[in-house]
Amino acid sequence: ETGVTQTPRHLVMGMTNKKSLKCEQHLGHNAMYWYKQSAKKPLELMFVYSLEERVENNSVPSRFSPECPNSSHLFLHLHTLQPEDSALYLCASSQTGTGDTGYLNTEAFFGQGTRLTVV
Amino acid sequence: AQSVTQLDSHVSVSEGTPVLLRCNYSSSYSPSLFWYVQHPNKGLQLLLKYTSAATLVKGINGFEAEFKKSETSFHLTKPSAHMSDAAEYFCVVSDLSYGGSQGNLIFGKGTKLSVKP
Repeated sequence: ETGVTQTPRHLVMGMTNKKSLKCEQHLGHNAMYWYKQSAKKPLELMFVYSLEERVENNSVPSRFSPECPNSSHLFLHLHTLQPEDSALYLCASSQTGTGDTGYLNTEAFFGQGTRLTVV
Repeated sequence: AQSVTQLDSHVSVSEGTPVLLRCNYSSSYSPSLFWYVQHPNKGLQLLLKYTSAATLVKGINGFEAEFKKSETSFHLTKPSAHMSDAAEYFCVVSDLSYGGSQGNLIFGKGTKLSVKP
C-alpha cells in the first residue's frame, strides 16, 4: 500500500463513452500527477497540479480533462477517446517545497494504475 | 533542461550474479535522482533516492546506487540477483523550476531486467 489509491483498476470503454478515473492520496502531499504508460514508450507526464496550480500540457489532447478539487483528490475525465489512448494511467503524488535553488520535489508515490482499454 | 538516459533497454543476468543498470543524467542544478521499479501490471515503487547527501545510496531489496557528479551517472547495482528482481527499472531526475510552482519528475525510458535461473 503506497498511500495513493486509483479507481477503477481496469476500465473498458467505447469511443463514444464518457468516464472518469479517480485518484486519492492519503500522504498529505501538495502535488499530484497523471502519467500515461503505453507499451514500448517512455512514461509520459500528462498533467501536474502543484501548490494548487495546474500546469497545462499542450501536447495532451482535449479529450483528456483533469480536475483537482482539493490536494487529496485528482480526476481524469475521459470522452470520445481513441483506441491509441489504451494504456496504463498512473497517478502519483509528491511534496513540493522550496530548496535553496527553487522548488524541489521529494520522491513521488504512485498508485497501482488504471488499465484502460478503448474499443 | 534536465534529462535522463538509461543506456540499456534490456539487461539479462543469471540468478546469483551481479546486476548493473546504467543511468546518465544532465542537469543544470544539483539534481535529486531516484530509481523506481515496476513489476508487471503494477504501479511504480521507489527503490532509492539521492538528494545531495551521501553519494552512495542504499535502497530496498539490496539495491544501491552511486551518484558520480564527474560522470553525471547514477548507476543501480545489486551484488546478487534474485528471480524476484525481474521487473522494469526507471531512473528519474527531479526537475527544478525557478519562479514557478511546477516541479516534475523526468523519467528515463526504463530498463527491463530479466533473471535467468
